[in-house]
Amino acid sequence: AQSVTQLGSHVSVSEGALVLLRCNYSSSVPPYLFWYVQYPNQGLQLLLKYTSAATLVKGINGFEAEFKKSETSFHLTKPSAHMSDAAEYFCAVRTPTGRRALTFGSGTRLQVQP
Amino acid sequence: DGGITQSPKYLFRKEGQNVTLSCEQNLNHDAMYWYRQDPGQGLRLIYYSQIVNDFQKGDIAEGYSVSREKKESFPLTVTSAQKNPTAFYLCASSADSSGSADTQYFGPGTRLTVL
Repeated sequence: AQSVTQLGSHVSVSEGALVLLRCNYSSSVPPYLFWYVQYPNQGLQLLLKYTSAATLVKGINGFEAEFKKSETSFHLTKPSAHMSDAAEYFCAVRTPTGRRALTFGSGTRLQVQP
Repeated sequence: DGGITQSPKYLFRKEGQNVTLSCEQNLNHDAMYWYRQDPGQGLRLIYYSQIVNDFQKGDIAEGYSVSREKKESFPLTVTSAQKNPTAFYLCASSADSSGSADTQYFGPGTRLTVL
């Protein structure tokens, strides 16, 4: 079975500062990994996904994530935070075979201070 | 516009009542999913369906039921057996191509409150 751990339920950064949201996964086979963003009282929107093609994945809104197999990590970064980035972020995993549904981490709420 | 619609946006239920949450998609996706979201717990899978007339229990299926009679519709019934149904419910769908990392697209959610 696969699982995801997101370190830090709340992260606060200043506008213009680096954003780093941490995600570690556990999977017995090479996984697919996803980052989603959720604004208050809305559904989830895909930011980016890793499908084994390239370890550095670029997504929407200037976000990117790097797959590091040796560290079982898929951390999300953005060089310069914007006020509009304030939201909740979820890391998710699934395997190429078996259940298609995603297994989610518990989420990280990002605050951006002016 | 293609997408996933969920209704109602807010739903109030008295204890002991069954309620049904609607989920419709016009993306022509084969697979559909129901997740439950509670503060600090992320999303947990209730039920999923990879094809019409077939569905499987997820991790927290007790107290819930679903049907998949049409490709575009996947309603969720929260029964009186669900002990703590107050939560935010999210429906999703994906193309479900074999072996590929198809994106799951999410609806806007239904917030259920038990009075």
